[in-house]
Amino acid sequence: KAGVTQTPRYLIKTRGQQVTLSCSPISGHRSVSWYQQTPGQGLQFLFEYFSETQRNKGNFPGRFSGRQFSNSRSEMNVSTLELGDSALYLCASSPFGASETPLHFGNGTRLTVT
Amino acid sequence: QKEVEQNSGPLSVPEGAIASLNCTYSDRGSQSFFWYRQYSGKSPELIMFIYSNGDKEDGRFTAQLNKASQYVSLLIRDSQPSDSATYLCAVSRSGSARQLTFGSGTQLTVLP
Repeated sequence: KAGVTQTPRYLIKTRGQQVTLSCSPISGHRSVSWYQQTPGQGLQFLFEYFSETQRNKGNFPGRFSGRQFSNSRSEMNVSTLELGDSALYLCASSPFGASETPLHFGNGTRLTVT
Repeated sequence: QKEVEQNSGPLSVPEGAIASLNCTYSDRGSQSFFWYRQYSGKSPELIMFIYSNGDKEDGRFTAQLNKASQYVSLLIRDSQPSDSATYLCAVSRSGSARQLTFGSGTQLTVLP
């Protein structure tokens, strides 16, 4: 079974620009979560999507947004990029159900803002 | 107080020894606990998860959970140089394994 696929792997943007990152979940997984990892703040939860609806949101400004499509693929968007947005952005997918299922992460997109 | 605390290390152990990694959490409502391993430049990979008090063993790894003490640990037996990585403790508060709060990680070095 193919894992979580994130594209692109690397991205360089300039302050003020916007960026869109893509995530394809494991086949059959309907929930997608996004995390940001920086050396200073560590791994932080951004948001979770299921059935094209945002279910949970972390403590990030409104510049960070996401969406999920009917095939469960997800995108996240960061507008008006700041230097502090430089980070590894990780996507994880899981089945959505009553039982807990640990998250498995994709390889991530490393965003550098200059 | 951080929600999930880990000793940042670095922790060094000789090859073949037992490595002990510790994690405490502040939210008594936390229900699920996870250990991830992250090699430099790579994404985190799941090692173990534990939901109930006590020990859970998987190969060389044992996770221990004590909800009364709000403490979770990971033991790595017969440590190998390939175990050298940063180990991240993660906790889910709401019963959702999809919204995790991570500790800052403990850097482990296994010396040949």
